[in-house]
Amino acid sequence: GESVGLHLPTLSVQEGDNSIINCAYSNSASDYFIWYKQESGKGPQFIIDIRSNMDKRQGQRVTVLLNKTVKHLSLQIAATQPGDSAVYFCAENPSSNTGKLIFGQGTTLQVKP
Amino acid sequence: AAGVIQSPRHLIKEKRETATLKCYPIPRHDTVYWYQQGPGQDPQFLISFYEKMQSDKGSIPDRFSAQQFSDYHSELNMSSLELGDSALYFCASSSRVNEAFFGQGTRLTVV
Repeated sequence: GESVGLHLPTLSVQEGDNSIINCAYSNSASDYFIWYKQESGKGPQFIIDIRSNMDKRQGQRVTVLLNKTVKHLSLQIAATQPGDSAVYFCAENPSSNTGKLIFGQGTTLQVKP
Repeated sequence: AAGVIQSPRHLIKEKRETATLKCYPIPRHDTVYWYQQGPGQDPQFLISFYEKMQSDKGSIPDRFSAQQFSDYHSELNMSSLELGDSALYFCASSSRVNEAFFGQGTRLTVV
């Protein structure tokens, strides 16, 4: 399953399928991006990050793709599991001086067993 | 591994009261960030501190203030509370610019 366009509030996928969550960022000067996972009532949890000098980075079952030309970020989750159900946020760091993170609108991932 | 500790986890206040939220960063982290998250909203940046000095300021109301102490813990003080201040307040810490780790948050309810 894939969220279409810049942002889709909810993405529903079947367990075992791959998920793609998309995000558009606003500041062309941003040089660092993070994907966070937030479960209900909990704080955002770091998943994976990428710097602007890269276009792809892989983690365990997750891959982040960065397209600076169109200011687009995506998170791919392989073999989605029920435990992946959560809200996913992308965040950009628009200033290397402060580390402040600007969060995009979250996408709720629902995994159907 | 030690994480970011926030207290209290839940807080109920009446309108016009004051509230103080505390944040204890991960040991050896020198930067603290405060975020506000309304229901169904993205976390919104409020303010950050680096080495006990304010390093950046976001959409923080004048009724709010914050500081970082010598032991690197931080407190967010909120006065003249309004119903709209009801939200989850997150603290995050980092040891360098960029990768921030979040606490579990304080849920503030203003009645």
